[in-house]
Amino acid sequence: EDQVTQSPEALRLQEGESSSLNCSYTVSGLRGLFWYRQDPGKGPEFLFTLYSAGEEKEKERLKATLTKKESFLHITAPKPEDSATYLCAVQAPHLLQGKLIFGQGTELSVKP
Amino acid sequence: GAGVSQSPSNKVTEKGKDVELRCDPISGHTALYWYRQSLGQGLEFLIYFQGNSAPDKSGLPSDRFSAERTGGSVSTLTIQRTQQEDSAVYLCASSSPGDIQYFGAGTRLSVL
Repeated sequence: EDQVTQSPEALRLQEGESSSLNCSYTVSGLRGLFWYRQDPGKGPEFLFTLYSAGEEKEKERLKATLTKKESFLHITAPKPEDSATYLCAVQAPHLLQGKLIFGQGTELSVKP
Repeated sequence: GAGVSQSPSNKVTEKGKDVELRCDPISGHTALYWYRQSLGQGLEFLIYFQGNSAPDKSGLPSDRFSAERTGGSVSTLTIQRTQQEDSAVYLCASSSPGDIQYFGAGTRLSVL
């Protein structure tokens, strides 16, 4: 069964305290792994797409990495404005084109 | 440029009433998706439209749910005889085929 599991469910950091969010996936062949950010009352906002193991992408304080079983979202020296829920999702060839399977998200809170 | 637009942003209804939720995708995007986000749950796929092809309705939870897309653009998700368990945020996304999905802000549905 296709499954995406994110951990931890919630993470509280002090400003400047670096950490990582985990996304473990079980899917028959990975077409792509997606990271989104969701602020309260808003829709998910696209961050990154990763396609193959070993791939890395960076954007400001965020860096996403991918292995054959999981992805990490590393947050370096976070700021309060990084507080949000981070969602991970996967696409697979046997799923209809574009269908995403989402994890339940990690709620990140960064305190000043 | 305009993103995905959803209306209404909030909808409160009584159990047993019908509701219609609207999604206006990004201009030029031929793929349109509906997802549901319940409290404490990840995003759940509902239905997918691609161009003028018949929609994939495999994610619709019951026959009370239906959706249409007129002229390959605007989509309406209809829930008949609403139940309390239908309370959730309904999110719409659009994309070019197989490309990144961009989400609207969602409609928060509350069934009393």
